[in-house]
Amino acid sequence: NAGVTQTPKFQVLKTGQSMTLQCAQDMNHNSMYWYRQDPGMGLRLIYYSASEGTTDKGEVPNGYNVSRLNKREFSLRLESAAPSQTSVYFCASSPVGGAKNIQYFGAGTRLSVL
Amino acid sequence: AQSVTQPDIHITVSEGASLELRCNYSYGATPYLFWYVQSPGQGLQLLLKYFSGDTLVQGIKGFEAEFKRSQSSFNLRKPSVHWSDAAEYFCASFSNDYKLSFGAGTTVTVRA
Repeated sequence: NAGVTQTPKFQVLKTGQSMTLQCAQDMNHNSMYWYRQDPGMGLRLIYYSASEGTTDKGEVPNGYNVSRLNKREFSLRLESAAPSQTSVYFCASSPVGGAKNIQYFGAGTRLSVL
Repeated sequence: AQSVTQPDIHITVSEGASLELRCNYSYGATPYLFWYVQSPGQGLQLLLKYFSGDTLVQGIKGFEAEFKRSQSSFNLRKPSVHWSDAAEYFCASFSNDYKLSFGAGTTVTVRA
């Protein structure tokens, strides 16, 4: 029972490099989310996908793009990484959207941009 | 829109002592409230949730939380902490159908 799997677990980038964070869930959930976690700020929503084929901006979308590849996979891309994007990134999924649906989280990707 | 405040950044508690973590939410429509725990190097795990009904909610790992509308609070409690409860705890609420708003978190240290 893997749940939500994120790869890689750690990554170091130089300013201006690009990379894609991968997320896959095996719970047949419709909705998926990307958050970033910074000290003293909790988690902030970057983008979400309410269902396969749809994506929407969250609270802090600038500098990121996402792709809902299929129902299982939701990737986050940094086209030109900046030091301000140093953070821990979490992917989450829920059966559907809506306030009563529990979100299940992956273990996170720790990204450093030098 | 809902927002969540956790007034305590860090709490230290002795093993076996009781623990209470504070959470205040801004008033909105019916609040949907959650407590998550994050152990070091791990993702977030749901401890408990409140949607409606009984204001005292039981969760996993011996935790409970009480919803108090008059105080706009949803405090988390545990009668007797174990060393394994050392972690960061997040209170969260929904501000719309997709946006889960998190508090800044409270780090709990357990001393022997």
